[in-house]
Amino acid sequence: SQQGEEDPQALSIQEGENATMNCSYKTSINNLQWYRQNSGRGLVHLILIRSNEREKHSGRLRVTLDTSKKSSSLLITASRAADTASYFCATAPLGAGKSTFGDGTTLTVKP
Amino acid sequence: SQTIHQWPATLVQPVGSPLSLECTVEGTSNPNLYWYRQAAGRGLQLLFYSVGIGQISSEVPQNLSASRPQDRQFILSSKKLLLSDSGFYLCAWSVRRGWDYGYTFGSGTRLTVV
Repeated sequence: SQQGEEDPQALSIQEGENATMNCSYKTSINNLQWYRQNSGRGLVHLILIRSNEREKHSGRLRVTLDTSKKSSSLLITASRAADTASYFCATAPLGAGKSTFGDGTTLTVKP
Repeated sequence: SQTIHQWPATLVQPVGSPLSLECTVEGTSNPNLYWYRQAAGRGLQLLFYSVGIGQISSEVPQNLSASRPQDRQFILSSKKLLLSDSGFYLCAWSVRRGWDYGYTFGSGTRLTVV
């Protein structure tokens, strides 16, 4: 079964707006990762946040982690048409040597 | 710098034919290696992962097998393909020391079984 689940499944916004997508998971984790996938391509690692971290930034990306609620959010500020892609969260459960991916959020940024 | 190569990019194979997808990593040693499959519009399903030469863990019982003949080479195989084997196959690697690292993915192989 899926460990991480993204919400919403699809998101459509105008260029310049902020995009927020969420990830919920079920068991305790070592870390949570966010990835981006352009259509028909491999996944690209965006950010990894450890279980003892609450917030992390990378350029226009901001990731938060709430271990008490077992949830994370990815915020993309000032979105661009080039941000159009699918975004996945992946969780590394405690004691497991592998990460589990959700079904992703498909983001469309309209120019 | 580390790179990961996956080939072929696309493959159309008849039902019952064999399969061999290869993945190689450069610029690192002792990586963890992974094979994932992605159905259209869905997330990634872990098929196999390996922490060392000859060490393969299977996540999903299926028509596929994996081998790691060399430290930086990971091969996905099937003796007889089924229609349900169609999908997008992704190879990935991560640093072996600890689990606190993200994955680097190959560009994927689009397999269509006809």
